[in-house]
Amino acid sequence: SAVISQKPSRDICQRGTSLTIQCQVDSQVTMMFWYRQQPGQSLTLIATANQGSEATYESGFVIDKFPISRPNLTFSTLTVSNMSPEDSSIYLCSVTGGSYGYTFGSGTRLTVV
Amino acid sequence: GENVEQHPSTLSVQEGDSAVIKCTYSDSASNYFPWYKQELGKGPQLIIDIRSNVGEKKDQRIAVTLNKTAKHFSLHITETQPEDSAVYFCAASPSGGGADGLTFGKGTHLIIQP
Repeated sequence: SAVISQKPSRDICQRGTSLTIQCQVDSQVTMMFWYRQQPGQSLTLIATANQGSEATYESGFVIDKFPISRPNLTFSTLTVSNMSPEDSSIYLCSVTGGSYGYTFGSGTRLTVV
Repeated sequence: GENVEQHPSTLSVQEGDSAVIKCTYSDSASNYFPWYKQELGKGPQLIIDIRSNVGEKKDQRIAVTLNKTAKHFSLHITETQPEDSAVYFCAASPSGGGADGLTFGKGTHLIIQP
């Protein structure tokens, strides 16, 4: 299965600022996904990123708040914009590209103060 | 959209005993059902998965069963060990390995008592 590197692993940010999270994969993958995991909760899909097209957002998530880039088959970024304390979560990148299902990165632990 | 229910939220078992976690799903189009283990401070790790054309799958101490008619699937861990302590998530997708993301259950905190 693919190996995913996410950066940063954690950050503490001021409210009103933005943070861009990077997801790098060691092989070319078809689909990349971004999830949010609020403290002590389950994972919720934010959006699906397909190379060469705009990301597809799930209900409750909008592009202005969570812009996503997917410039090639091994890399994607998620930006959390105009942050508030409610955005404090773990943000996870996931990929799929064949029969091995879905692999997850180790996540970015974001605290907004 | 899909809705996945997971029970119990917390499960405590004696070391060496078996543990069973159950999930139900709502969307009959779902055909891929993975289970993830998440340890503190880490991302979810796939431990076993099953597709809708299979009723049961086993990998050493871990097994998953699927009842498509009842929209129900379960994780079975036998001979539990302290390192099995973690949060376990079930999930469902219409296309494992395809264009759709996963819908997760709320998770089960498994505690192995020594």
